[in-house]
Amino acid sequence: KAGVTQTPRYLIKTRGQQVTLSCSPISGHRSVSWYQQTPGQGLQFLFEYFSETQRNKGNFPGRFSGRQFSNSRSEMNVSTLELGDSALYLCASSRTGKTGELFFGEGSRLTVL
Amino acid sequence: AQSVTQLGSHVSVSEGALVLLRCNYSSSVPPYLFWYVQYPNQGLQLLLKYTTGATLVKGINGFEAEFKKSETSFHLTKPSAHMSDAAEYFCAVSQSNTGNQFYFGTGTSLTVIP
Repeated sequence: KAGVTQTPRYLIKTRGQQVTLSCSPISGHRSVSWYQQTPGQGLQFLFEYFSETQRNKGNFPGRFSGRQFSNSRSEMNVSTLELGDSALYLCASSRTGKTGELFFGEGSRLTVL
Repeated sequence: AQSVTQLGSHVSVSEGALVLLRCNYSSSVPPYLFWYVQYPNQGLQLLLKYTTGATLVKGINGFEAEFKKSETSFHLTKPSAHMSDAAEYFCAVSQSNTGNQFYFGTGTSLTVIP
């Protein structure tokens, strides 16, 4: 069974640009969550989608957005990139809409110059 | 509001020694508790979870954790450390009424000394 797939794995952007990250969940999983991981702040929740609807949102500015498609694949977008957006962005999928085990991808490492 | 505190950002143990990683949480409702492990350049992998029922939870790779409501703790232990246990460990809490929104601790880096 294929795991959670995130693309791209690594990317470099400059300040002011925007970026789109993609996540394909495990087959049959309808919940997709996104987390930002940095050395200073640790793992912080961005948002969660279930059946194409955003159910929860973390405390991030509106520059961070996401969406989920009918096949459960998800994308997150960060506009007007800042240096502080450099981080590992982790996607996690879960089979149910209730609290359950999260299965994580390997992440997309974003560097903003 | 929920939060997780992991005492000790770095822990070193000798190979074969007991591993003890500490986690305390705060939650306004009964929590669901998790321990995840992260190896370099990889995502997080679930070690074990507590939802309801037995308070002593056994996970993969010989790890276990005990939910102590009175102490609001969920410490992770392993009787005998292996070199392969060297990694970053994260404690996380969630609640049944917040879907899959998890709150993670800041992590504990475990070093195993040969």
